[in-house]
Order: sequence, then structure tokens, then C-alpha cells
Amino acid sequence: NAGVTQTPKFRILKIGQSMTLQCTQDMNHNYMYWYRQDPGMGLKLIYYSVGAGITDKGEVPNGYNVSRSTTEDFPLRLELAAPSQTSVYFCASMSTYNEQFFGPGTRLTVL
Amino acid sequence: AQSVTQLDSQVPVFEEAPVELRCNYSSSVSVYLFWYVQYPNQGLQLLLKYLSGSTLVKGINGFEAEFNKSQTSFHLRKPSVHISDTAEYFCAVAGYSTLTFGKGTMLLVSP
Repeated sequence: NAGVTQTPKFRILKIGQSMTLQCTQDMNHNYMYWYRQDPGMGLKLIYYSVGAGITDKGEVPNGYNVSRSTTEDFPLRLELAAPSQTSVYFCASMSTYNEQFFGPGTRLTVL
Repeated sequence: AQSVTQLDSQVPVFEEAPVELRCNYSSSVSVYLFWYVQYPNQGLQLLLKYLSGSTLVKGINGFEAEFNKSQTSFHLRKPSVHISDTAEYFCAVAGYSTLTFGKGTMLLVSP
């Protein structure tokens, strides 16, 4: 099993550009999550999904969108990138025992 | 609502010394608690978890944690640390469908 995979690993965007961060899991988990991590701030939940076709906002959803058309995939869309979205983004999926499995992260810089 | 407080942002320690990383939580639902470790430029991985049963929980790499309901604490301990334990450690508490993370404690092990 590959677990949770994320692409790309690194990306530099210009202000106002858009991009999609990809996330795929092969563990057949219903629950999936997107977090952002900023230095000294821990992880902040952006969006999550409890199953295909169902998504909900987390703590910091502004400027982001998600979709969940399959169990495996949970892409995160950034529209009109802003410098405040410079961060490391982690995708995770959760087992029935509340254990979350994390991807390796995407380091995004908006200039 | 859930919240997690990690009382130390940084803990410096010498190799082979014992260490304790402190975590206090509040939760309005059943208490499921977790410790995750993040090595540089990697995602988070689970160290240990408390779901029910014995209040002393053993995890990977020689770490253990004790759940104390009266003090709402879940401190992480290791009797003898190694250089390779240098990493950031996150305490988390489960809500209905999500985890709430603390801001992290950086463990710095020096020779």
C-alpha cells in the first residue's frame, strides 16, 4: 500500500494564480482531511470529507475549495492565490479507530 | 468543542536523559487522545493513542503516555532519548469527525 500520496511536493505560485493540490489514498478510508501547517501554529483544518460526495468546512476554509467524487481522491483547489496561503499542506485519511494517516505534504509559496 | 494545549514549544535535552512533553486537553465528547511525531520535511506519523482501557499507553520508539482524566492531561514520556528522537511532537484530541491538534513541541536532543 502506498498510503496517502500528495502531488506536487513543491510549488511556487504568483498572486492571483490558481492550482489544485492532489491527494489520493489506497486504504479505502471514508474520512479524509486537508490541513495547513504554519511555523509554531500546529495544524489547522481546512476542509474534510466523511465520504464520497460529502464535504464540510474546517477551521480555515476561506480561499479554498474541495470536492470528493471518489473514495480515493480528495483534491484541494486554491483560487486566486494570496501570500497568506504560503504554507505546507497535508492531506490525511482516517481509519475507523480514529487514527489519521498523513501524506508527505506540499510546500506552497505564493509570491 | 475540543482544545489542546502543549505547554512547551521547545524542550532541549541531552542524549540518554529522560524527557516529558506535556499536553492538556478539553473535550465535550468521549476522550480519544493521540500523540504524533513529525520528522523534518515529513508528514505526521502516529506515536501512540488512547481510546479506552489502561491509562498507560505504550507506543513506538520507546515512548509512552499516561492519560489522567482528573487533570485532563496526556503527557508523553521517554526514559532515555536518542539523537534520532529530535522532531516535533503533536498532541491531538478527537471530536466527532475530526482531530484538534496542539501547536506542537519541538524536542531537541543534543549529544
